[in-house]
Amino acid sequence: EAGVAQSPRYKIIEKRQSVAFWCNPISGHATLYWYQQILGQGPKLLIQFQNNGVVDDSQLPKDRFSAERLKGVDSTLKIQPAKLEDSAVYLCASSSRGQGEETQYFGPGTRLLVL
Amino acid sequence: GEDVEQSLFLSVREGDSSVINCTYTDSSSTYLYWYKQEPGAGLQLLTYIFSNMDMKQDQRLTVLLNKKDKHLSLRIADTQTGDSAIYFCAESGGYQKVTFGTGTKLQVIP
Repeated sequence: EAGVAQSPRYKIIEKRQSVAFWCNPISGHATLYWYQQILGQGPKLLIQFQNNGVVDDSQLPKDRFSAERLKGVDSTLKIQPAKLEDSAVYLCASSSRGQGEETQYFGPGTRLLVL
Repeated sequence: GEDVEQSLFLSVREGDSSVINCTYTDSSSTYLYWYKQEPGAGLQLLTYIFSNMDMKQDQRLTVLLNKKDKHLSLRIADTQTGDSAIYFCAESGGYQKVTFGTGTKLQVIP
């Protein structure tokens, strides 16, 4: 079974530029998550999708971040415009139904550096 | 809001036991998790415990939960160099909004 795929693996941009990350969850997984992990910290949930609907986006900075999962499969996360403090690893995860006892499977992450 | 705290660093000798501790604040936590993150990789779920349990054992891993003190620990028996990684404690109220701690870096000395 293929794992969670993310691309690109690394991205360097200048502040005020735009950037987009892509995630393809494990086939059949209804729930998809985007996390931001700043160096030295634990992951912070940005947004959670159940199929193509948003379950929780309370910690997503909506003035600059957006995410979509139009067909309920893969997802994109966009930052526009980027700030220096957005430098982090962006992790995508998926789980089967979004229930508490389920395992969330994580992708390798996209490491973003904003200069 | 929810808060999960861990010590930042732990160093042990190969073959010894490691104990990583975690405290959390959310009294409605339903699931408590331990994740492992190796350099340049995503997180891997090691084990979880349901809040009505006080202990769970899985091969070399033992999880202890003191719900009264909101304290969770992970014991790794016979620690190996391959166990060197960052270990994250996390909690969830049930619908998988997971709050992670800051992580404990485990260094295993050969």
